[in-house]
Amino acid sequence: EPEVTQTPSHQVTQMGQEVILRCVPISNHLYFYWYRQILGQKVEFLVSFYNNEISEKSEIFDDQFSVERPDGSNFTLKIRSTKLEDSAMYFCASSEVHLREKLFFGSGTQLSVL
Amino acid sequence: KQEVTQIPAALSVPEGENLVLNCSFTDSAIYNLQWFRQDPGKGLTSLLLIQSSQREQTSGRLNASLDKSSGRSTLYIAASQPGDSATYLCAVTGNTPLVFGKGTRLSVIA
Repeated sequence: EPEVTQTPSHQVTQMGQEVILRCVPISNHLYFYWYRQILGQKVEFLVSFYNNEISEKSEIFDDQFSVERPDGSNFTLKIRSTKLEDSAMYFCASSEVHLREKLFFGSGTQLSVL
Repeated sequence: KQEVTQIPAALSVPEGENLVLNCSFTDSAIYNLQWFRQDPGKGLTSLLLIQSSQREQTSGRLNASLDKSSGRSTLYIAASQPGDSATYLCAVTGNTPLVFGKGTRLSVIA
């Protein structure tokens, strides 16, 4: 079965540093998403992306976050100036059709901000 | 705002037992509901997707039902095995992308 691939699997960074989390969605999918899960808490929606622009974002996705599809295969999440509370597992997902179809998730990037 | 609740938060059963995990959601205007499995420190594996027009979906020993009008879903696991031990997450899609519950942590004891 096709997979969503995320790199790196673990990322450790110092507070205030910029990080870029990378994802390769399933090739024929058109909609891309980022979610995060802080340890012990629910998986939370951050942002959805379609046709090279953000289609929806949550209140968590503030100005320190940005997303980009720099080429035909990668989808990235950038955190400009990391805070301790950004420590979480970040999941990328993709789907063929928005909302009505199954989302396929990657295995996640565990971000630790020290 | 959609809220998803899962009961119980944790469940421990002996191997071979049939079990039911519960999920409820506050806004019945959904497109679909998905059940996921999450192993510790790992990603999300989709188990079953039920469209809003469907009542249930089956995959192997798993059966998920949906009662959209009452805002409830159940995941039935037959003949549980130690390998079923994981956290099971319920998530609904309405006018916003997937909203997750906190999950039920299942332990199946050999």
